[in-house]
Amino acid sequence: GAGVSQSPSNKVTEKGKDVELRCDPISGHTALYWYRQSLGQGLEFLIYFQGNSAPDKSGLPSDRFSAERTGGSVSTLTIQRTQQEDSAVYLCASTIGGSTDTQYFGPGTRLTVL
Amino acid sequence: AQSVTQPDIHITVSEGASLELRCNYSYGATPYLFWYVQSPGQGLQLLLKYFSGDTLVQGIKGFEAEFKRSQSSFNLRKPSVHWSDAAEYFCAVAPPGNNRKLIWGLGTSLAVNP
Repeated sequence: GAGVSQSPSNKVTEKGKDVELRCDPISGHTALYWYRQSLGQGLEFLIYFQGNSAPDKSGLPSDRFSAERTGGSVSTLTIQRTQQEDSAVYLCASTIGGSTDTQYFGPGTRLTVL
Repeated sequence: AQSVTQPDIHITVSEGASLELRCNYSYGATPYLFWYVQSPGQGLQLLLKYFSGDTLVQGIKGFEAEFKRSQSSFNLRKPSVHWSDAAEYFCAVAPPGNNRKLIWGLGTSLAVNP
């Protein structure tokens, strides 16, 4: 594929359920980011993967949030015991190198927690 | 605290009019500076970026931005706005010495009147 893809595009879940969001970065991109965008807000950094280095998890809002990146490619963001305040659009971006390179964004996953 | 400020939450201009979107940052040294656009139904896309050198940077879609060190600003401009420019515009910075993540402004929503 030519760009970053994310799935699902929309996810509606009930409070307390776990959800998994998937990101397929551009092939060959070593860095991958997850962001959260709440209604009317900017982008909130969640986590950053760079190659084989330990991920930067400093933006994860609570221990209910976790992410992994398998084989240096696909990444999954998991939210356990979802809360209504988790409702947002979750964006994934990849870059060839670090944050100073152009970030290529996926279309996002809109999560709604009822 | 280190921050990025976009003072204008919402701007409306007429098609064909000029545009300037403001961005101010608060860092001790010059960070790397970016403008991204988020169009309806589309992912975030890089418009332009500034690392060093010429303080007037040209981007895609006819946009330009000027870095002014004395004002800690990186304002985005376009001489003549098109209806298709209606979108959300985000300023972002990579703090000096931090090559891991961008700090994002809250965005400016641009509406274009016919």
